[in-house]
Amino acid sequence: QKEVEQDPGPLSVPEGAIVSLNCTYSNSAFQYFMWYRQYSRKGPELLMYTYSSGNKEDGRFTAQVDKSSKYISLFIRDSQPSDSATYLCAMSFTGGGNKLTFGTGTQLKVEL
Amino acid sequence: DTEVTQTPKHLVMGMTNKKSLKCEQHMGHRAMYWYKQKAKKPPELMFVYSYEKLSINESVPSRFSPECPNSSLLNLHLHALQPEDSALYLCASSQDRRGQDTFGSGTRLTVV
Repeated sequence: QKEVEQDPGPLSVPEGAIVSLNCTYSNSAFQYFMWYRQYSRKGPELLMYTYSSGNKEDGRFTAQVDKSSKYISLFIRDSQPSDSATYLCAMSFTGGGNKLTFGTGTQLKVEL
Repeated sequence: DTEVTQTPKHLVMGMTNKKSLKCEQHMGHRAMYWYKQKAKKPPELMFVYSYEKLSINESVPSRFSPECPNSSLLNLHLHALQPEDSALYLCASSQDRRGQDTFGSGTRLTVV
């Protein structure tokens, strides 16, 4: 079993849809939870960062962390074609040696 | 300056060549990283430098040799690579150990 599981997609939605992306994990030591967006042929870009359980909102993006269920989500409201990218969840913990553990990434396409 | 700059953007090299990848950041981050990313896969950590000292080597073959000349620069020296080493090589940096890495755009390496 991988430490972090993420559905690879591809996920195709119409413009304006609400998108839900999810990851599950097995290591209860994880404390810091990130979502990165990666456009084709570019490096990952940090979208959202959450410490421990809870919600965080930034514009059209909302990140949720449920540590009791070992489950994290990223919601994108009013999705746009420019949101078409691969979304990677990532996690780390204090004492983890500056190491991020990534999910496999979900490829999202927002259609006009 | 909130960027990580990588050069070159593209590199084609023969299996007997020696080349170097370069990475620079001026955000004052004290941790710097090299990742390797194959198509449709998440980034794989190769090396971590913390305060200019190598702190993690993820069992990377010796044909990859990292160097951190100062707190802003990170190099990856390449020698006698194999075609399977062809990938996107990403540099990243972070302020602390919580995982909020800032990535560069990467060097797309092709070994022929």
